Amino acid sequence: AQSVTQLGSHVSVSEGALVLLRCNYSSSVPPYLFWYVQYPNQGLQLLLKYTSAATLVKGINGFEAEFKKSETSFHLTKPSAHMSDAAEYFCAVSETGSARQLTFGSGTQLTVLP
Amino acid sequence: DGGITQSPKYLFRKEGQNVTLSCEQNLNHDAMYWYRQDPGQGLRLIYYSQIVNDFQKGDIAEGYSVSREKKESFPLTVTSAQKNPTAFYLCASSIATQPQHFGDGTRLSIL
Repeated sequence: AQSVTQLGSHVSVSEGALVLLRCNYSSSVPPYLFWYVQYPNQGLQLLLKYTSAATLVKGINGFEAEFKKSETSFHLTKPSAHMSDAAEYFCAVSETGSARQLTFGSGTQLTVLP
Repeated sequence: DGGITQSPKYLFRKEGQNVTLSCEQNLNHDAMYWYRQDPGQGLRLIYYSQIVNDFQKGDIAEGYSVSREKKESFPLTVTSAQKNPTAFYLCASSIATQPQHFGDGTRLSIL
């Protein structure tokens, strides 16, 4: 069975500082990995996805994530936080080679301080 | 623009009452999903459907029912058997290996 652990349910950074949101996964087969962002009272928007091509994945809004098989990690980073980045972020894993069977982490709430 | 429409945005249910949440997509996606979101618990899969007239239970299907009579529509009924229905409900769809695309959700509360 697949699972996702997001370390830190709440993360605070200052505007302009590095954003690092942690995600570790377990999967019995090579996984597909995703990061989604959710703003209050809205649905989830895809930030980026890893599907066994390049291990460093670039997404929207300046975010990127690196797939590290040896560490079973897929941490999300952004060099410089902006106030508009404040939201909840979800990591998700799929073992089926598609997005059809997703398992989500419990989410990380990002706060950006002025 | 193509997308997923969930309605209503807010819904109130009385004790013992069934309510139906609507989900419509015009993306021509074959697969559709329903998730429940509770604070601090992420998203949990209720039901999913990969083709018309077929659907499977997810991790927390008890107290819920669905139908998939049309490709575009995947309504979710929260029955009176669901003892703790207050949550944010999200509908999603996907095609082939593409990532799931989400609607804006319905917040259900109990009166």
